[in-house]
Amino acid sequence: EVQLVQSGAEVKKPGESLKISCKGSGYSFTSYWIGWARQMPGKGLEWMGIIYPGDSDTRYSPSFQGQVTISADKSISTAYLQWSSLKASDTAMYYCARRSVLYNYMDVWGKGTTVTVSS
Amino acid sequence: DIQMTQSPSSLSASVGDRVTITCRATQSINSYLNWYQQKPGKAPKVLIYAASSLQSGVPSRFSGSGSGTDFTLTITSLQPEDFATYYCQQSYSTLMYTFGQGTKLEIK
Repeated sequence: EVQLVQSGAEVKKPGESLKISCKGSGYSFTSYWIGWARQMPGKGLEWMGIIYPGDSDTRYSPSFQGQVTISADKSISTAYLQWSSLKASDTAMYYCARRSVLYNYMDVWGKGTTVTVSS
Repeated sequence: DIQMTQSPSSLSASVGDRVTITCRATQSINSYLNWYQQKPGKAPKVLIYAASSLQSGVPSRFSGSGSGTDFTLTITSLQPEDFATYYCQQSYSTLMYTFGQGTKLEIK
């Protein structure tokens, strides 16, 4: 079964760092782009960026460039989203998703990781 | 950047109704338009890709149309499980796939 398994919920304080993960299984992890999307409480989906684990080619939405880092470790089929200094406004659900090889759409999604940043 | 605008932002309908949600892009995106359904507390799920292609396993009451800048998602004969939020997404920009703001479909 093709799936993306995301790491568990996180509660952090402002200024702390964080790295959340998204582990792919059931397919060739290095052959598919993995994208990240943010959903703030009660709000819509926002595209953050995308990485190709095969060569770590990474693209960021202008809104998130410099705010987060997307990376991948192909040896363990895992993509990451990290922050060096969290803000309260980073409180959100974060989803990873796989881009289909057939067309430009996200065909498999992780269940999401909730990040809460509060003092 | 390409912006996507959905309308309406919310709508109420009854089981058995036919509903249409529209999505407009700020520039032509050819047929690079996808539709997702999201239920509360769940991850999004793709319904339609390439404007009109039905994802495997999605009921045929869902259909998509359009090209260029204007697109529609139509649901015929609404079922109780269809009450959810729907998002369009453009995938024309290279690896910068922006979403619409969402349309919440509620039970009347």
